[in-house]
Amino acid sequence: DAGVTQSPTHLIKTRGQQVTLRCSPKSGHDTVSWYQQALGQGPQFIFQYYEEEERQRGNFPDRFSGHQFPNYSSELNVNALLLGDSALYLCASNRSPNYGYTFGSGTRLTVV
Amino acid sequence: KNEVEQSPQNLTAQEGEFITINCSYSVGISALHWLQQHPGGGIVSLFMLSSGKKKHGRLIATINIQEKHSSLHITASHPRDSAVYICAVGFGNEKLTFGTGTRLTIIP
Repeated sequence: DAGVTQSPTHLIKTRGQQVTLRCSPKSGHDTVSWYQQALGQGPQFIFQYYEEEERQRGNFPDRFSGHQFPNYSSELNVNALLLGDSALYLCASNRSPNYGYTFGSGTRLTVV
Repeated sequence: KNEVEQSPQNLTAQEGEFITINCSYSVGISALHWLQQHPGGGIVSLFMLSSGKKKHGRLIATINIQEKHSSLHITASHPRDSAVYICAVGFGNEKLTFGTGTRLTIIP
């Protein structure tokens, strides 16, 4: 049974560019949450998707947007990249309302 | 003040030692999670607790809801236990709030 799959694993982008990160949840899970983890810090909540809608959002600017597809997979889009967006982006899935989360291995984004 | 505080931030021990990592939180929660993160980033869920105590192999996790405190213990520590251990709390189906992690290094 596959867990959470994230792609790509590593990415280098130039300041000002746009990026799309992808997440496939664990089989049977319907909710996807995205987190940003800066070096040496704990993950920070970006947003959560359920039934193709953004259900909750953390304190991130509108440059961060997302989408959930009918098969529960999700994308995270970041526009107008800043150097400070360099981080590990983690995806976690669960089956609502159960809060047993499964995490992906993350996408490491470097903005130069 | 962070909603989730972990101690210590860094811990170095000899192989075989008994390890304790602490987590205190200030908000009402439905569940507390202990997570393990190895270099390279991927997070593995170790435990989810809402009360009492859980054990898995050499790992034991306890939680005291009244005191808003949890501990993760590792018995007979091994170099492969070296990782960052993160405490996270959640309420219902809401977002998880994470501590900043404890970096554990076990020396052979």
